Formats: sequence, C-alpha cells, structure tokens
Amino acid sequence: GAGVSQTPSNKVTEKGKYVELRCDPISGHTALYWYRQSLGQGPEFLIYFQGTGAADDSGLPNDRFFAVRPEGSVSTLKIQRTERGDSAVYLCASRTGGPTDTQYFGPGTRLTVL
Amino acid sequence: AQSVTQPDIHITVSEGASLELRCNYSYGATPYLFWYVQSPGQGLQLLLKYFSGDTLVQGIKGFEAEFKRSQSSFNLRKPSVHWSDAAEYFCAVGPPLGAAGNKLTFGGGTRVLVKP
Repeated sequence: GAGVSQTPSNKVTEKGKYVELRCDPISGHTALYWYRQSLGQGPEFLIYFQGTGAADDSGLPNDRFFAVRPEGSVSTLKIQRTERGDSAVYLCASRTGGPTDTQYFGPGTRLTVL
Repeated sequence: AQSVTQPDIHITVSEGASLELRCNYSYGATPYLFWYVQSPGQGLQLLLKYFSGDTLVQGIKGFEAEFKRSQSSFNLRKPSVHWSDAAEYFCAVGPPLGAAGNKLTFGGGTRVLVKP
C-alpha cells in the first residue's frame, strides 16, 4: 500500500503569511506525529495524535503553530504569521496503535519563509 | 530530559570499507533505540530498532547495531559500504513501552560520504 504522503513538497511564503501543511498517513494507522527538521539538524518532535485528539503537543514552539486531525486520518499543520525562523522541513510520521510499532515517515514539506 | 549525541558530523569512507557510526544517549530508563537513514530529498527510512532481548540487532541493507547498556551506546555498523550508502544517518530514542506516545528524540545526524 501507499506510504505516508505530504503536500505540498515545497512551500515558499512571505513573512507574516499563513500556511497549511497536509499529511496523509498510512491507512489504518491510528497514531500520527509531526516533526520539524531544521537545516543540519535532526528532526524535533512537535505534536502527536492518537486518533482525532492531540495526545501530546509539548513540542509546538508557540501558539502560532496548531495542528488538527478531525477524522482521525489526514492531519493539517497550520502556521500563522510565519517567521523566517519557521523555515525547515516538516516531517509527518504514522504508525499502528501497537506500542512497539515503527513510525513510518513521509518525504516532508520544505517550508521557506522569505 | 532524554538526549541523543552523534559525535561525528561527517564521515568519509571508501567503498568496500567498513563503517561504524556512533550514538550515545541519555535516558532515565532503557529506551527504545532506532537508526534511520535519510537520502537527499527523501524521508526517513528505518534501518533497525532495538526494544529488548538480543543486544545485537540486524537491520536492512546489511546494517547492524549493538546496544551497550553500560556505555549508553547504540552504534551502527556495516562491514562493507556500497556507494548507495551515502546518506545522512540518524540515531533516535523513544520512551519505554507505553510511555509518552513513543515520540522520538533524534541525534543531530552523521553524514556519510562514500569514496569510489
């Protein structure tokens, strides 16, 4: 079956604009994660969904960042009033509900804020 | 708080030579341990993982890793590197079973260059 998909693959925006990044997890995966990978660094956890609810949003850097998963499948990461420091690759991962199951990552969305 | 250190930012190795990538972690208990590989423009692909049991773990693409509790290390090895192994490698830790939603903490990565 298909893997995790993310759209768009690239997004260029201007400082102060609003952006939405979309993640389509693997069908049947109940857990979904967002990570952010800045240039030259490893991914950093942002938020984790179990089903429709955000089980852990401790990694969101500030209140400009928000994510939803209304039907327990597709998730959207929303960034308001973008800043140049938000430029990064945003990665999505999903896994089945089993605690030892692997997180499968999508290809990421590269966000550039000018 | 948990942390992961990959001491080597870059490693250059000749094709056919052996490769070892270092990973040290800091965690209150024995975590779950992972190695992922990222090729340019690609997402992360899992190479191998350790949850419990045998401390020598075999993965895909001929990679293996050894968990050493006394050294808080989980080093990745490959006996003979192929040009296609040129990529960035990330070590990651996750909390013990059932805790904290299995969110991962990653190291900074090691970029591997393969010389012909």
